[in-house]
Amino acid sequence: QVQLVQSGAEVKKPGASVTVSCKASGYTFTGYYIHWVRQAPGQGPECMGWINPHSGVTNYAQKFQGRVTVTRDTSISTAYMELSGLNSDDTAVYFCARVRNYYDSSGSFDYWGQGTLVTVSS
Amino acid sequence: EIVLTQSPATLSLSPGERATLSCRASQSVGNYLAWYQQKPGRAPRLLVYDASNRASGIPARFSGSGSGTDFTLTISSLEPEDFAVYYCHQRSNWPTFGQGTNLEIK
Repeated sequence: QVQLVQSGAEVKKPGASVTVSCKASGYTFTGYYIHWVRQAPGQGPECMGWINPHSGVTNYAQKFQGRVTVTRDTSISTAYMELSGLNSDDTAVYFCARVRNYYDSSGSFDYWGQGTLVTVSS
Repeated sequence: EIVLTQSPATLSLSPGERATLSCRASQSVGNYLAWYQQKPGRAPRLLVYDASNRASGIPARFSGSGSGTDFTLTISSLEPEDFAVYYCHQRSNWPTFGQGTNLEIK
């Protein structure tokens, strides 16, 4: 069965960086785009960026340009999201999500990781 | 950025009743709209994609309709497990989500 399993909760100080991992199993990792979506407390989800796991090509929301980097390691079917220059507004649950359509950057998200809480506090 | 406005913010209904949730886009998204259900502490769950297609394993009481800028998610007869927050999501442009409708037990 398809699974996306994320790394554990993180507590970071302002100005630091955080990396969240997302390990995929149960399907061909290189065939489906992975998006990173975050959700601040009490808010709707917000799309940060995506990666084509086959080519490594990425695209980021303008809001996060220069602060977010998404990478992947196809040998272990894992995607990573690094966010730098953290501030208190970055406190949120971060999800990875798989696009439903094969080799489509912009489909709906049919499988999600369990979420990783990132807390930014001095 | 396409803004999705969901209404109402909160909907209070009883099990067995019909629920109608609305999502309006700031510009046309064609039929590139999905609906998700989210329960506390859990990831969103895909219910409907491309406006009216039920995702795999989703009960028939969930249905989606609409195109362009106005969309509706209907739950024909509420079950106890349906009380949750519902989000719409467009993929026409850079993907965005609405702010959610909290469906609560009356």
